[in-house]
Amino acid sequence: GENVEQHPSTLSVQEGDSAVIKCTYSDSASNYFPWYKQELGKRPQLIIDIRSNVGEKKDQRIAVTLNKTAKHFSLHITETQPEDSAVYFCAASSPGTYKYIFGTGTRLKVLA
Amino acid sequence: DVKVTQSSRYLVKRTGEKVFLECVQDMDHENMFWYRQDPGLGLRLIYFSYDVKMKEKGDIPEGYSVSREKKERFSLILESASTNQTSMYLCASSLLFAGLRSSYNEQFFGPGTRLTVL
Repeated sequence: GENVEQHPSTLSVQEGDSAVIKCTYSDSASNYFPWYKQELGKRPQLIIDIRSNVGEKKDQRIAVTLNKTAKHFSLHITETQPEDSAVYFCAASSPGTYKYIFGTGTRLKVLA
Repeated sequence: DVKVTQSSRYLVKRTGEKVFLECVQDMDHENMFWYRQDPGLGLRLIYFSYDVKMKEKGDIPEGYSVSREKKERFSLILESASTNQTSMYLCASSLLFAGLRSSYNEQFFGPGTRLTVL
């Protein structure tokens, strides 16, 4: 079935450094790729998303890139801050379906 | 602001009990979803519904059923709870057709219910 692989499962970076989380999807028809952030004890919240007709999208310190040929997409966080510490989930969705296929999550720790 | 609420934050039940988890959204969303979240496994879809009285199985429907009698409410039912159903349960909702109004089919999550089955 459809699958989204996410790496790494944990990531520790020094405050101010960059963090990159990578996801690979299996369904070539997938056309929407959201990223969710879940802080400890809180609900997942959308932080950025990208559609398949765009190769890159930026929002302040976060950016997402998409390589349709390779079927992978990545989240980039620059100038990391302690409040970026959370679990990040990638997901993929295909036309005609409302469902997301989520990755297994990345626990990001930003060390002060 | 979209608000998705769940009936309990924490629930403790015994093996064999029937368990109801309730989810309510106030944004007139057509789609509603139930996920379970387990460490290392991410968010796995149990069931979803795109309309009142409509439901579709997700990836892990075994041992669960759902009910959607009203548009704003989606219930997850564990007919006979088992210890392997101990988990965090998350409800979410989204528009059927987002169009230009919001991020494409963004799913809004509830706060979660941590269920422990003893």
